[in-house]
Amino acid sequence: DTAVSQTPKYLVTQMGNDKSIKCEQNLGHDTMYWYKQDSKKFLKIMFSYNNKELIINETVPNRFSPKSPDKAHLNLHINSLELGDSAVYFCASSHGTRGPLEETQYFGPGTRLLVL
Amino acid sequence: KQEVTQIPAALSVPEGENLVLNCSFTDSAIYNLQWFRQDPGKGLTSLLLIQSSQREQTSGRLNASLDKSSGRSTLYIAASQPGDSATYLCAVNQGAQKLVFGQGTRLTINP
Repeated sequence: DTAVSQTPKYLVTQMGNDKSIKCEQNLGHDTMYWYKQDSKKFLKIMFSYNNKELIINETVPNRFSPKSPDKAHLNLHINSLELGDSAVYFCASSHGTRGPLEETQYFGPGTRLLVL
Repeated sequence: KQEVTQIPAALSVPEGENLVLNCSFTDSAIYNLQWFRQDPGKGLTSLLLIQSSQREQTSGRLNASLDKSSGRSTLYIAASQPGDSATYLCAVNQGAQKLVFGQGTRLTINP
């Protein structure tokens, strides 16, 4: 049983297209995240949602729009894809904020996006 | 702005050796620090999480330490095995579950 799953695993597309990446977690977690890992392997947070509410929104172009239909899903939609969007996108989840104690984040396998 | 640095960027050691990976961060106001492992083409696996009030955590052959005041953490791997080969990432939690990652140390254990 996969705890955090992402689809598709690979995505190759032309510049200017619109695409979506889906993420699902079966851990019963309240919080989900999207991270981007660029060609230099730096992982940076993009968004986080807690119970379908946006919590973190880093400096990300508004071409990127997360959508959370329920707390088990957090999808990432990208409009007008650019060459610089090529990266590996990771979804993650955690129990969510519990007072001063934060919880381990569990990561999906990643979606490798290549924009041509 | 929090910056996380990992040294060395790459490390290659013979099987059986003990080794230490280093992580430093510029802002000591953190909630916790996590060490992750990333295998090629795969996602991240959490290894250890140290709360800001703790000094170390142990799991099997792994021991992570945290010195928050000096902005440093180490990951100690005892009796290394070829299966330990991977990239190890350090991440600090700034609050609201916001993780700031280092660039990672690519570890190779030679049989």
